[in-house]
Amino acid sequence: DAKTTQPPSMDCAEGRAANLPCNHSTISGNEYVYWYRQIHSQGPQYIIHGLKNNETNEMASLIITEDRKSSTLILPHATLRDTAVYYCIGLSMNRDDKIIFGKGTRLHILP
Amino acid sequence: KAGVTQTPRYLIKTRGQQVTLSCSPISGHRSVSWYQQTPGQGLQFLFEYFSETQRNKGNFPGRFSGRQFSNSRSEMNVSTLELGDSALYLCASSLGRSAGGFNEQFFGPGTRLTVL
Repeated sequence: DAKTTQPPSMDCAEGRAANLPCNHSTISGNEYVYWYRQIHSQGPQYIIHGLKNNETNEMASLIITEDRKSSTLILPHATLRDTAVYYCIGLSMNRDDKIIFGKGTRLHILP
Repeated sequence: KAGVTQTPRYLIKTRGQQVTLSCSPISGHRSVSWYQQTPGQGLQFLFEYFSETQRNKGNFPGRFSGRQFSNSRSEMNVSTLELGDSALYLCASSLGRSAGGFNEQFFGPGTRLTVL
């Protein structure tokens, strides 16, 4: 699995877009970029994933650079409930069910 | 559809004891994975079961073991508890391996184990 690098923490004002960066320069061609988040004292929650193209769902948007060495998770209108640790993970298409979590980014939403 | 459930939610044990944690996956899911989360080490993969067989294992000592039943429910056991085993133990379920491709994992709320 690709090693990912994320800032340890970020702040974002409530109502603004939260942009969480992730570097994954060693990602290989068959590895997806996955994002999970963990709200305090709960299990991690799947957010979104992508391979090459940008992706959007009801929770967030994922922007992947053309060289696939980095990506950005965008929460368009952050709320206090988005305060959590966000994990960016590279996972192979042929990978079985094992996730290697890094340290993630602790996102603080400021009122 | 009911989510992943874990029991008990909280547990206090003393050093040297053993403990068994239970996980009920989402209906239809055949893969169950276990993770340990501590402030120092973060989220670490313990093992994964699929169709009652362990097919992946992390770097944990043999004191940590698990099993899966025919209904996909899983248990993990920790014997001879140590203070460092205090952690949040998370279970995740997924459909399991298909013809290539990662299956999204759904996590339970976890069991918080405290070892005194």
